[in-house]
Amino acid sequence: AQSVTQLGSHVSVSEGALVLLRCNYSSSVPPYLFWYVQYPNQGLQLLLKYTSAATLVKGINGFEAEFKKSETSFHLTKPSAHMSDAAEYFCAVTTGGGNKLTFGTGTQLKVEL
Amino acid sequence: KAGVTQTPRYLIKTRGQQVTLSCSPISGHRSVSWYQQTPGQGLQFLFEYFSETQRNKGNFPGRFSGRQFSNSRSEMNVSTLELGDSALYLCASSLASAGQETQYFGPGTRLLVL
Repeated sequence: AQSVTQLGSHVSVSEGALVLLRCNYSSSVPPYLFWYVQYPNQGLQLLLKYTSAATLVKGINGFEAEFKKSETSFHLTKPSAHMSDAAEYFCAVTTGGGNKLTFGTGTQLKVEL
Repeated sequence: KAGVTQTPRYLIKTRGQQVTLSCSPISGHRSVSWYQQTPGQGLQFLFEYFSETQRNKGNFPGRFSGRQFSNSRSEMNVSTLELGDSALYLCASSLASAGQETQYFGPGTRLLVL
């Protein structure tokens, strides 16, 4: 079975500051990992995904994540936060054999002036 | 290319009724997955259909069912609605059913059970 843990249900940063959202996974087989963002009253939008190619993955809107097998982590970062980044972020894992995603509990990002 | 569309967007039902939600995937996509999102349980996988066959199923009671048509459109049905079924139901489509595929989500159907 696979699972994802997102540390910090709420994260607050100042505009222009570094964004770091944490995700740790558990999987008995090599995982595929995803970060999605959800704006109010909308569906989920893919930010980036890891599929066993490069361990440093670059996504949309300046976000990137690094797959660290030794730490079972896939943390999401952005060098400089923008007000428009305020949203809820979800880390998800699957291990193939279909598209069943297991999601973390989400992290609500607040960006302050 | 049009995105994933879900109808209706909002729905109010009463306990004991049944409901059918519809999802039209992105053109060319053959896999459709359904997820339930609630404040208490978060995002949970319901089931996945690929080429009209159920590929995966989550841990939901038999009241939750789905199907996929030959044009890849999918429907999910919930019978004998309970208050706890109030949720945002999200549909996602992808080209194939192979784990690393990107799933594109629709805007969801918000169901309120009274």
